[in-house]
Amino acid sequence: KQEVTQIPAALSVPEGENLVLNCSFTDSAIYNLQWFRQDPGKGLTSLLLIQSSQREQTSGRLNASLDKSSGRSTLYIAASQPGDSATYLCAVNGGNTDKLIFGTGTRLQVFP
Amino acid sequence: GAVVSQHPSRVICKSGTSVKIECRSLDFQATTMFWYRQFPKQSLMLMATSNEGSKATYEQGVEKDKFLINHASLTLSTLTVTSAHPEDSSFYICSARKTGGKEAFFGQGTRLTVV
Repeated sequence: KQEVTQIPAALSVPEGENLVLNCSFTDSAIYNLQWFRQDPGKGLTSLLLIQSSQREQTSGRLNASLDKSSGRSTLYIAASQPGDSATYLCAVNGGNTDKLIFGTGTRLQVFP
Repeated sequence: GAVVSQHPSRVICKSGTSVKIECRSLDFQATTMFWYRQFPKQSLMLMATSNEGSKATYEQGVEKDKFLINHASLTLSTLTVTSAHPEDSSFYICSARKTGGKEAFFGQGTRLTVV
């Protein structure tokens, strides 16, 4: 059974810092991995999608890497801003099941 | 773009009544939609996979007679919480994939409170 874990569970940093959020999964047979952002009481916004054949994806200040063999992904946020404050979720798609299995989330707070 | 609209965003109902939540893909067709439940400060738990024109596939532990799912068209799936009880109070979120696509797009979520 696929299990997805995110570390740290919570993170509070001053504005301007570069951040690394970690995601690990137990079954490396994934089709893709997706990073999401969730604001309190809201739905999810897709940030980055990495296919299993890819090593990384970039969008603006965000960079996500994937090491499928070791079951790890990282989300790198450069020059963090207060507007980045949210919960960040990673989710893996097991391919043959077509389901997204979500991690436990990292609650990020960036203070001015 | 790929927009998924979920309605209502917030609903309060009395115990014993039923509540219907709609999930629409506004600018794409979605053969498959997914329904999730999220408890406060916890991650999303998949409840069921909804396939257009066929019965939904429920995850282990989810009562199919309590959480009725209908996916009658390529742009609409509904989740009906029947005979709702306070323990059903939660945040329900749907997602959809474009037919043939792999990226998931999510609705805004529905906050259900059963009193």
